[in-house]
Amino acid sequence: DVKVTQSSRYLVKRTGEKVFLECVQDMDHENMFWYRQDPGLGLRLIYFSYDVKMKEKGDIPEGYSVSREKKERFSLILESASTNQTSMYLCASSRPQGIDEQFFGPGTRLTVL
Amino acid sequence: SQQGEEDPQALSIQEGENATMNCSYKTSINNLQWYRQNSGRGLVHLILIRSNEREKHSGRLRVTLDTSKKSSSLLITASRAADTASYFCATDASNTGKLIFGQGTTLQVKP
Repeated sequence: DVKVTQSSRYLVKRTGEKVFLECVQDMDHENMFWYRQDPGLGLRLIYFSYDVKMKEKGDIPEGYSVSREKKERFSLILESASTNQTSMYLCASSRPQGIDEQFFGPGTRLTVL
Repeated sequence: SQQGEEDPQALSIQEGENATMNCSYKTSINNLQWYRQNSGRGLVHLILIRSNEREKHSGRLRVTLDTSKKSSSLLITASRAADTASYFCATDASNTGKLIFGQGTTLQVKP
């Protein structure tokens, strides 16, 4: 059974803290994505990666960075968390072909106080 | 930028009824996908329709695509309480795997 896992389901951090959100997939997928989901705004793409050590900005990259040192792992980093980064964060992966579905992790609900 | 807009935002029906959700998008696409999300969980892929297809079925799901109107619809027949969830359309305009999601339709099926 294919799986995308995220390191935490719930996370509470303080303003200014550095936050790491980890995502691991066991499907040998080349593509990995980070989204944030907010009420009324749907899913917005933060960053994505098509290969190890490769990253591209999505629609809302400001305040975030990513790391992809291994094919199965894609990390989202909030360098200095702010309250407006309180959100649900979803990781996904897919095969390299363009026409394919994305497999999602369960999500991390991050609260920044 | 949001590519897909979904209508209605919320839908409440009785078990056994059909549910129809619509999605409109702005640019040319290679394919359109529908996903389901149970409350507080990740998304699950339901069905993918390519730009050269007009209709696709999967179990109780029927998806149509009208590229001339830049719109798609998802029909769930004989709905069940377990179908209660949010449904999102997503478009792939670049054939790169990068998807743009709509804001979703929240479906409530009352037993």
